[in-house]
Amino acid sequence: DAKTTQPPSMDCAEGRAANLPCNHSTISGNEYVYWYRQIHSQGPQYIIHGLKNNETNEMASLIITEDRKSSTLILPHATLRDTAVYYCIVLLSGTYKYIFGTGTRLKVLA
Amino acid sequence: EAGVVQSPRYKIIEKKQPVAFWCNPISGHNTLYWYRQNLGQGPELLIRYENEEAVDDSQLPKDRFSAERLKGVDSTLKIQPAELGDSAVYLCASSLASVDTGELFFGEGSRLTVL
Repeated sequence: DAKTTQPPSMDCAEGRAANLPCNHSTISGNEYVYWYRQIHSQGPQYIIHGLKNNETNEMASLIITEDRKSSTLILPHATLRDTAVYYCIVLLSGTYKYIFGTGTRLKVLA
Repeated sequence: EAGVVQSPRYKIIEKKQPVAFWCNPISGHNTLYWYRQNLGQGPELLIRYENEEAVDDSQLPKDRFSAERLKGVDSTLKIQPAELGDSAVYLCASSLASVDTGELFFGEGSRLTVL
């Protein structure tokens, strides 16, 4: 399975966009990029996923580079409730074997 | 719609004692996962079930850990005997096996403290 690299922590001002990077330079053609987040004392929560194209939903946007070696999760208007650990996961289609790293601890500042 | 339900939420035991955790997945979800999360780390997969079959238990320490999902619905994870290093949060997740999404739904977890 491809390994992902994320910065251990980031700060973001409330109301500003939070851009969380993820490096997955060894990703293969049929591996998806998934993002989950974990708010303190809760289980991880699905945010978004993509294969090649950029994706957007009500929570966030996912930008995947053309070579697919990196991606960025964008929270367009961060709120204090977005303070959490964000995990970037690469998943081989059909395997359902999610491997979580240590993620990025995002702190949204008032 | 009810989410993934886990119990107990918290458990404190002395080392060498047994402990069991229960998980009821979202109705209709055929895939069930048990993860262990140590403090400051991401969740680590222990075992994955498709219906009642354990399809990936390679990370389950089989000398002291066991799991079952007898009717392909709820599941139990047992540790016997517990060791100090087993202190962690045990997370259960479920999903509908799907090539396209595979979104995992997690419970709130069971926090185990071994003294």
